[in-house]
Amino acid sequence: DQQVKQNSPSLSVQEGRISILNCDYTNSMFDYFLWYKKYPAEGPTFLISISSIKDKNEDGRFTVFLNKSAKHLSLHIVPSQPGDSAVYFCAASARSGGYQKVTFGTGTKLQVIP
Amino acid sequence: NAGVTQTPKFRILKIGQSMTLQCTQDMNHNYMYWYRQDPGMGLKLIYYSVGAGITDKGEVPNGYNVSRSTTEDFPLRLELAAPSQTSVYFCASSYSEADTQYFGPGTRLTVL
Repeated sequence: DQQVKQNSPSLSVQEGRISILNCDYTNSMFDYFLWYKKYPAEGPTFLISISSIKDKNEDGRFTVFLNKSAKHLSLHIVPSQPGDSAVYFCAASARSGGYQKVTFGTGTKLQVIP
Repeated sequence: NAGVTQTPKFRILKIGQSMTLQCTQDMNHNYMYWYRQDPGMGLKLIYYSVGAGITDKGEVPNGYNVSRSTTEDFPLRLELAAPSQTSVYFCASSYSEADTQYFGPGTRLTVL
């Protein structure tokens, strides 16, 4: 049962254009959402997050949008740069059994073409 | 500032062998985690710890054991390696349960 889904395994975007990475979730108890970026042979690194009480959070070139009614999360990168080429994981957390459990999506591989 | 370190980076095991994956963090984080990532899949939580001496099972704990004798170290033990345990293993830590997790570089394990 994949509670956090990233339906696009890969995405290619031209340098300077917008990259939009999507994530859908099924558990309405999720109250915190995160995006992690992962380069090959490295561990994931935190990128940006959003609480369920907000619908938008911005940090420089990165903006995360949350649509609770649609259970949909998206990450916008503007403008995209070649260094943004990586795998992006969406993650969502909810309290389960006394613990704030984090569930990860399967990842989207972004390639930014110079 | 080392953050989260993992050893070894790579390992090949034969079926039935055992090994310990090491994880150390120098950020004085209370929470530590072990994940596995299979090809095309997300990260699955194996075990986690909320502090020294306290551990609990995650989603996929079977075939693994952990201990947490110090704040810094959180080793993961495979007792009888099986091909299904071929994966990339990531250790992570966070200050609190709702805080950002910091990941190590991973250990790529192959069981033949």
